[in-house]
Amino acid sequence: ETGVTQTPRHLVMGMTNKKSLKCEQHLGHNAMYWYKQSAKKPLELMFVYNFKEQTENNSVPSRFSPECPNSSHLFLHLHTLQPEDSALYLCASSPDRANTEAFFGQGTRLTVV
Amino acid sequence: KQEVTQIPAALSVPEGENLVLNCSFTDSAIYNLQWFRQDPGKGLTSLLLIQSSQREQTSGRLNASLDKSSGRSTLYIAASQPGDSATYLCAVTGRNTPLVFGKGTRLSVIA
Repeated sequence: ETGVTQTPRHLVMGMTNKKSLKCEQHLGHNAMYWYKQSAKKPLELMFVYNFKEQTENNSVPSRFSPECPNSSHLFLHLHTLQPEDSALYLCASSPDRANTEAFFGQGTRLTVV
Repeated sequence: KQEVTQIPAALSVPEGENLVLNCSFTDSAIYNLQWFRQDPGKGLTSLLLIQSSQREQTSGRLNASLDKSSGRSTLYIAASQPGDSATYLCAVTGRNTPLVFGKGTRLSVIA
């Protein structure tokens, strides 16, 4: 248990569905991240929030929409996804954006059918 | 653009062996380097964090070294056990970049 909790752990959705991934941390961290992990690829950074403000959008398609209502919660809203979006989506947090240790959740395994 | 490479991609060793995993990065202007462990289908567990001013960190049977000027880090695992079987990931942060990851080394320790 790392202190970063992601729900759901598994999600199967159709290409026309809308769903949301949730990430929660009570570590008192100010930075939160979404990463995508596909087979045979390095983890890819998607979004960074620092003190609830988005500081990075790594050229992510608009069908992925992040939301950070407070420093403890981070969401990833999904709509009209493609099968190639199937992957493990990992949330992480750190005390601040740089020079500090990052902690990851267990991930959400997403399958788009 | 920072790139991280991990060698070997996969490694299989008998139980009890000492082993070394390698990580290299292209931009030496890093803030820190972090080693993670990932079990199949699971999230990442932080193993060791080395700040850019440090040369090594130790935790139990794990020792990580950092040579920032040459862009290299090694993770040394002593007396390997079957429970050490997992994928090991190396990642670096920089002034304007959050964690950048390598593809990992998949380790199998055979009993």
